[in-house]
Amino acid sequence: QSALTQPPSASGSPAQSVTISCAGTSSDVGGYNYVSWYQQHPGKVPKLLIYEVDKRPSGVPDRFSGSRSGTTASLTVSGLQPEDEADYYCCSYSGRTNFYVFGTGTRVTVL
Amino acid sequence: QVQLVDSGGGLVKPGGSLRLSCEASGFMFSDYYMSWIRQVPGKGLQWISYISMNGRSIYYTDSVKGRFTVSRDNAKNSLFLHMNSLRAEDTAIYYCARTTNGCFDYWGQGILVTVSS
Repeated sequence: QSALTQPPSASGSPAQSVTISCAGTSSDVGGYNYVSWYQQHPGKVPKLLIYEVDKRPSGVPDRFSGSRSGTTASLTVSGLQPEDEADYYCCSYSGRTNFYVFGTGTRVTVL
Repeated sequence: QVQLVDSGGGLVKPGGSLRLSCEASGFMFSDYYMSWIRQVPGKGLQWISYISMNGRSIYYTDSVKGRFTVSRDNAKNSLFLHMNSLRAEDTAIYYCARTTNGCFDYWGQGILVTVSS
């Protein structure tokens, strides 16, 4: 099963916004509400940011928001802060195979 | 608080076997699906398997099917990954993760498995 497609990199200045896309298919991103996003700082464990497309776990700042249009999901980080510099991964359940598939990952740089 | 502790990694020769463990605490282990996810150092995340609450439903990604076996012991709040016929490309950090609402909300600290002669 192929990974979901994310841009390799994204960047923005502090206080700006950055949006990361996650392209899938109708069998995964477009077919189920089980789309999630994770943040991973170098050498650290991934952290859940968004689940079920647009829900935030408690403790995650509302600067992080998720959305979906068709077979592409997006993560927007508003009001960029230096600590947002990290790798971001999307993930979706794939009903066709009962698998989960991660995105290729996007490195966000705060300029 | 929810805690997952991975253990059992290390260096193994190609073709060898290894068993990883994940000990859970801070939540009702038997109420949750659990998953194993791996990451080649410096690369992306790859989901490899999940197991249902009672252990009767298990799914594997194609690249490990027939070589890896996931099991759980709800009485001991533990999840296991038995890895056989290991290959160099199985070298990665392995994470256990609590699985709910179609996502992985808590992760273990990760354990490095190195397959090399």
